Amino acid sequence: AQKITQTQPGMFVQEKEAVTLDCTYDTSDPSYGLFWYKQPSSGEMIFLIYQGSYDQQNATEGRYSLNFQKARKSANLVISASQLGDSAMYFCAGYLGSARQLTFGSGTQLTVLP
Amino acid sequence: NAGVTQTPKFQVLKTGQSMTLQCAQDMNHEYMSWYRQDPGMGLRLIHYSVGAGITDQGEVPNGYNVSRSTTEDFPLRLLSAAPSQTSVYFCASSRRLSRQGKWEAISGNTIYFGEGSWLTVV
Repeated sequence: AQKITQTQPGMFVQEKEAVTLDCTYDTSDPSYGLFWYKQPSSGEMIFLIYQGSYDQQNATEGRYSLNFQKARKSANLVISASQLGDSAMYFCAGYLGSARQLTFGSGTQLTVLP
Repeated sequence: NAGVTQTPKFQVLKTGQSMTLQCAQDMNHEYMSWYRQDPGMGLRLIHYSVGAGITDQGEVPNGYNVSRSTTEDFPLRLLSAAPSQTSVYFCASSRRLSRQGKWEAISGNTIYFGEGSWLTVV
């Protein structure tokens, strides 16, 4: 079954510290794409980072990096130097195999403490 | 959000009315899609398109219609609004998807979302 699992419903992090949000995926197809999105309380879905299954290196975008471990089927998001504005819901999503749509995880609510 | 524009941002409809949610992207993306996000349900695919003139149904297509006459635009039409269609609607686009709807894991094939359209049907 094509599935994305986020096991952390809520996370707290101190401002300026790094935080890792967990994501595991399940697919047997070699071709897939993994995404992280940020959804603040205003509701928009903001793209953060993408990792294709054939990409040789872990993706990085500014303060965001993706710890991609294919053998473990994990794609954890690392946010370095957390800021108060990082407080939001974070979704891991995957375009897995023959599925015709993005499969979303249940999300992690991140709260950055001053 | 890079280059996906949705309008309107907020809309209130009466049951039975019709309306069109507009979506445009300026990134020359082949693939465009519409999702709805309901509380506790996550995002569900309504319709998608892998190129101009090609559309297909997603998980929850009933009550919605789409067309793709140009690469840039992918409007979503509600034919006869119902309270069950009260939701947040997101348009999304990406560079490549196969004609069978299969993902192409090429570098940079990112899926971008519009800012969302909040629709209430009373």
